[in-house]
Amino acid sequence: GQNIDQPTEMTATEGAIVQINCTYQTSGFNGLFWYQQHAGEAPTFLSYNVLDGLEEKGRFSSFLSRSKGYSYLLLKELQMKDSASYLCAVPYNTDKLIFGTGTRLLVFP
Amino acid sequence: DAGITQSPRHKVTETGTPVTLRCHQTENHRYMYWYRQDPGHGLRLIHYSYGVKDTDKGEVSDGYSVSRSKTEDFLLTLESATSSQTSVYFCAISVGGGLTDTQYFGPGTRLTVL
Repeated sequence: GQNIDQPTEMTATEGAIVQINCTYQTSGFNGLFWYQQHAGEAPTFLSYNVLDGLEEKGRFSSFLSRSKGYSYLLLKELQMKDSASYLCAVPYNTDKLIFGTGTRLLVFP
Repeated sequence: DAGITQSPRHKVTETGTPVTLRCHQTENHRYMYWYRQDPGHGLRLIHYSYGVKDTDKGEVSDGYSVSRSKTEDFLLTLESATSSQTSVYFCAISVGGGLTDTQYFGPGTRLTVL
């Protein structure tokens, strides 16, 4: 079966760096997605990793270790607007995604 | 912007009434999905479609049906709404339709069943 674990909530200070972890168990691996979701809004795509290592996109980076079933999202130079929920998701079967319950990040001034 | 709209955006209804939510896309993507999102559960797949008249169940399909008679529209119907179906419903499309293709979400419909 498929299972995804993420911390429920994290807090950080503006300007700091925060790492949001995601561990997964899946039969067959086809990559891992990260989405950002602001309160009251739809999830928006952040990144997709299928190979091990770190991929950087501006202030956001995503890391994957397939052997450990582990990924993290790294947010640098935190801004107030980064306060949101961050969802990781893995594909399964032929055309579906299973989502973690999300990590709510609160950024304080 | 993947050109996805949902209607209505908010709805309040009573237990036992039928409800239909509509998802409309403008770019002729083959795959469309309906999710519900509830605190503590995250996004859960209700039904999805991989073409006109081709649909399949997700993990929480009981009490829901779907129809797709045109590429651009995917309808979700609650035949007899219950309070447990109070939720936020998101439609999504998959740009490529394959296992590793990114899903993009509509703005959501907040449904309250009294």
